[in-house]
Amino acid sequence: KAGVTQTPRYLIKTRGQQVTLSCSPISGHRSVSWYQQTPGQGLQFLFEYFSETQRNKGNFPGRFSGRQFSNSRSEMNVSTLELGDSALYLCASSGGTGNYDEQFFGPGTRLTVL
Amino acid sequence: QKEVEQNSGPLSVPEGAIASLNCTYSDRGSQSFFWYRQYSGKSPELIMSIYSNGDKEDGRFTAQLNKASQYVSLLIRDSQPSDSATYLCAVRARGNNRKLIWGLGTSLAVNP
Repeated sequence: KAGVTQTPRYLIKTRGQQVTLSCSPISGHRSVSWYQQTPGQGLQFLFEYFSETQRNKGNFPGRFSGRQFSNSRSEMNVSTLELGDSALYLCASSGGTGNYDEQFFGPGTRLTVL
Repeated sequence: QKEVEQNSGPLSVPEGAIASLNCTYSDRGSQSFFWYRQYSGKSPELIMSIYSNGDKEDGRFTAQLNKASQYVSLLIRDSQPSDSATYLCAVRARGNNRKLIWGLGTSLAVNP
């Protein structure tokens, strides 16, 4: 069974631009969570989607948004990029037929904002 | 008080020794507990989940849960240099939103 895929793997943007990241969960998983990881800050929860509905949201500004499609694929968007948005963005899927609670991560998208 | 706390380390152990990683949490009603391993530059990888008090073993890894004392630990027997990584503890909160709360991780170094 294929794992979680994220595209693109690397991105370089400049301040003020916007970016869209994509995540395809494991087949059969209906929940997708997004995290931001920076050195020293650990995993910061952005949001979680389940069956196309946002189920949870972290404490990030409105510049960060997301959505989930009917095939469970998810995208997150960051508008008006700031230098501090440089980070590894991780997507995790869960909700499969095994342990419903376990999250499995994709390889991440490393975003650099110049 | 942070919701999930881990010693940042680094925890240094010799090859072949037992590495003991600890995690405490503040929400007494938490139900699900997870250990992840993260190599530098890579994404977290699930090692083990545990839901009931007691021990759960998987190969060289043993997770221990004590809900009364609100801690969960991970033991790595016969530690190998390839176990050198950051270990993240995650706890599923109670309530309707049931977010997964993460510790900052413990850095483990296994010395040959």
